[in-house]
Amino acid sequence: NAGVTQTPKFQVLKTGQSMTLQCAQDMNHEYMSWYRQDPGMGLRLIHYSVGAGITDQGEVPNGYNVSRSTTEDFPLRLLSAAPSQTSVYFCASSYSGPAKLFFGSGTQLSVL
Amino acid sequence: DAKTTQPNSMESNEEEPVHLPCNHSTISGTDYIHWYRQLPSQGPEYVIHGLTSNVNNRMASLAIAEDRKSSTLILHRATLRDAAVYYCIPRISNFGNEKLTFGTGTRLTIIP
Repeated sequence: NAGVTQTPKFQVLKTGQSMTLQCAQDMNHEYMSWYRQDPGMGLRLIHYSVGAGITDQGEVPNGYNVSRSTTEDFPLRLLSAAPSQTSVYFCASSYSGPAKLFFGSGTQLSVL
Repeated sequence: DAKTTQPNSMESNEEEPVHLPCNHSTISGTDYIHWYRQLPSQGPEYVIHGLTSNVNNRMASLAIAEDRKSSTLILHRATLRDAAVYYCIPRISNFGNEKLTFGTGTRLTIIP
């Protein structure tokens, strides 16, 4: 099992560029979520999904869009990147609800 | 949301037990207490969770106070690999509000 796979591992963007962070899981988990982690801080929830076709906002959703067309994939889109979005992004999934979350290895994003 | 208080940092000698405390005085009666840890440059990993009684698994034990206002994660015999940031998280379990909010955690240093 690959678990939770995030791509890319590193990305540098210019202000205003758009991109999609990919997240895929092969455990047939219904619940998926995106977190960001800034230096010296804990993780903050961006968006989450309790199943295909269902998404909802977390603590810090502004500037990010998500969709969940399949159980396996939960991409995170930055429509117009800003320096404040420089962070490490983690995707996580679980069988049902945010218990026993499995995390990916993260994407380090820098916005110049 | 239930608030948690954890020490910013702790140190322990290798091969000795470690007791990581967490205060969650505003926890509701249906909130589980989750513990995760984050090793350097990795995503968080699930450690253990519980509701009212003490819980054990291969990684750790969780002791929950009778009034549920505090809990303690116990690592029975610390190894260098246990050096990580440990997060204590009450799970908000209301339907339609499935969020897991991470704080800043306790940074555990293991002394060889």
